[in-house]
Amino acid sequence: DADVTQTPRNRITKTGKRIMLECSQTKGHDRMYWYRQDPGLGLRLIYYSFDVKDINKGEISDGYSVSRQAQAKFSLSLESAIPNQTALYFCATSAPGRKYGYTFGSGTRLTVV
Amino acid sequence: TQLLEQSPQFLSIQEGENLTVYCNSSSVFSSLQWYRQEPGEGPVLLVTVVTGGEVKKLKRLTFQFGDARKDSSLHITAAQPGDTGLYLCAGIYFGNEKLTFGTGTRLTIIP
Repeated sequence: DADVTQTPRNRITKTGKRIMLECSQTKGHDRMYWYRQDPGLGLRLIYYSFDVKDINKGEISDGYSVSRQAQAKFSLSLESAIPNQTALYFCATSAPGRKYGYTFGSGTRLTVV
Repeated sequence: TQLLEQSPQFLSIQEGENLTVYCNSSSVFSSLQWYRQEPGEGPVLLVTVVTGGEVKKLKRLTFQFGDARKDSSLHITAAQPGDTGLYLCAGIYFGNEKLTFGTGTRLTIIP
């Protein structure tokens, strides 16, 4: 099994619909992150959580919400999807400290029509 | 907003050639990481550098962290088609515990 699993891998949804993207990890790390990737813009941080009771907004949190259900699970919701939220979404986890890299999931390709 | 610039944005070279990709910021990093991403997959960590002037090698890839800790480079020797991918640098700035990503360099190696 992958260290970080994201579901679904692909999703097409209509404008105004609520959608949830799920992420689970088996690394045993406390820190989890949601990023969005758009062509030419790199990866931008949406939300992050340093432990189960800690939730923080990233640089582009408007229109998104998250839930940390357990150490291993971190879900991202779009309450009312809009077309400019069409993007590739990645979940990641890391150990604390500047020496440690992030482990990413394989991503969810979301299209809002 | 702290900006992390990568250059070039696109690079296409012949198999066997050497290349260098650059990552620059106006702010100082506490650490800097390089990732490689292939289509349909998430970024995969290649290396982390934390000390100014540090050089790390990973087979044909050489990573250097600038003395002032504001820049980094990735040099690939004798590029192979398997090196094709999106290369991302990402840094942690002092006082900030999160990674900030650059926009990436899309590398294509032509057989």
